[in-house]
Amino acid sequence: DIQMTQSPSSVSASVGDRITITCRASQGIGTWLAWYQQRPEKAPKLLIYGASRLHSGVPSRFSGSGSGTDFTLIISGLQPEDFATYYCQQANSFPWTFGQGTKVEIK
Amino acid sequence: QVQLVESGGGVVQPGRSLRLSCAASGFIFSSFGMHWVRQAPGKGLEWVAVISHDGKKQYYADSVKGRFTISRDNSKNTLYLEMVSQRDEDTAVYHCAKERDPRVSTSMDVWGQGTTVTVSS
Repeated sequence: DIQMTQSPSSVSASVGDRITITCRASQGIGTWLAWYQQRPEKAPKLLIYGASRLHSGVPSRFSGSGSGTDFTLIISGLQPEDFATYYCQQANSFPWTFGQGTKVEIK
Repeated sequence: QVQLVESGGGVVQPGRSLRLSCAASGFIFSSFGMHWVRQAPGKGLEWVAVISHDGKKQYYADSVKGRFTISRDNSKNTLYLEMVSQRDEDTAVYHCAKERDPRVSTSMDVWGQGTTVTVSS
């Protein structure tokens, strides 16, 4: 199975900050990568698929990049509603696997 | 609107069985692959299983293979997860989720709110 490793596990930031979350796959997955946001007690929401394609309705302050084994999610200009946990997920092959999550907290 | 509603969760004894359901509405259910994803208390997301749009292909996480069965009834717009030989580590909120693209598996764009399964004696 493909292992997904996110870093950092948590990050403290302020409204307006730019933050970067990285995700590394244990083997090459092309651009078969998605990012999700999960607020407490809520279902996850799709942000990005295909490593860099913004899902419909997702604000443009979210962006994704990368291919192969290394990927990045950037949030430019954090908003109060962005404080949540973010997960990467590989879709290269079944079984799909998620990263362990990155919690974005208010500084 | 596009909606997924899970049901069937509850408290189950170790070794017993439980069947979860996911009622879909607002989209052409028979055109999309469907997934189950779970989240243990205080933990991250764990992908569980997927079924193709026509029900002919299924894949499972190693942790549930041989114990869980994913199925669907396209005439009822309903997804199922049959769980047997339940273990303590199966305790989680179980979400059903719809694939974003009917042609290729890339991601899950619609999620249900989840149903809670607690395995306890």
